[in-house]
Amino acid sequence: SQKIEQNSEALNIQEGKTATLTCNYTNYSPAYLQWYRQDPGRGPVFLLLIRENEKEKRKERLKVTFDTTLKQSLFHITASQPADSATYLCALGSGGSYIPTFGRGTSLIVHP
Amino acid sequence: DAGITQSPRHKVTETGTPVTLRCHQTENHRYMYWYRQDPGHGLRLIHYSYGVKDTDKGEVSDGYSVSRSKTEDFLLTLESATSSQTSVYFCAITSEGYEQFFGPGTRLTVL
Repeated sequence: SQKIEQNSEALNIQEGKTATLTCNYTNYSPAYLQWYRQDPGRGPVFLLLIRENEKEKRKERLKVTFDTTLKQSLFHITASQPADSATYLCALGSGGSYIPTFGRGTSLIVHP
Repeated sequence: DAGITQSPRHKVTETGTPVTLRCHQTENHRYMYWYRQDPGHGLRLIHYSYGVKDTDKGEVSDGYSVSRSKTEDFLLTLESATSSQTSVYFCAITSEGYEQFFGPGTRLTVL
């Protein structure tokens, strides 16, 4: 069965450093992969989408890579700030499907 | 803000009672979804809709039903609530670009 793995342990980093979160998947050939941010008590907020034929995508301080050979996506936040502290979810979708599957998310804590 | 509202935002009910949660969108999007989110399980799809009167089951649909009589409204019904349905429920819509926009959530407690 399809499986999406995100580190269940929180990632603690110091302000100003680059945070790197990982999303691994098995038994899946996604056409696209998304990253969302979720703050406590609120719904997830879409951040970035990357397609299978794209290696990397950037948006301001965010960078996402997508390696279909390794079956892995890396999500980077450069020059991290305490306001970046949240849970980050990855989601994968098949070609033409509007039904993505979500990972359980990884908590990021940025210390001042 | 994708124009999604959910009601009620909080509800406490007793086992065996029916409960209906409402999701309303102002964006006229075709796809709407209901998820539940629980610690250790992440977001799990309950049901989704791809048009008026067109719905389908998700990963955890047992004990839930949905209806969509208008483009803007998607209702989730627990016919007879159980304690295992205590959760946070999120409604979402999808744009044509696949990104999902979520509502603020409904916290449901079944005693």
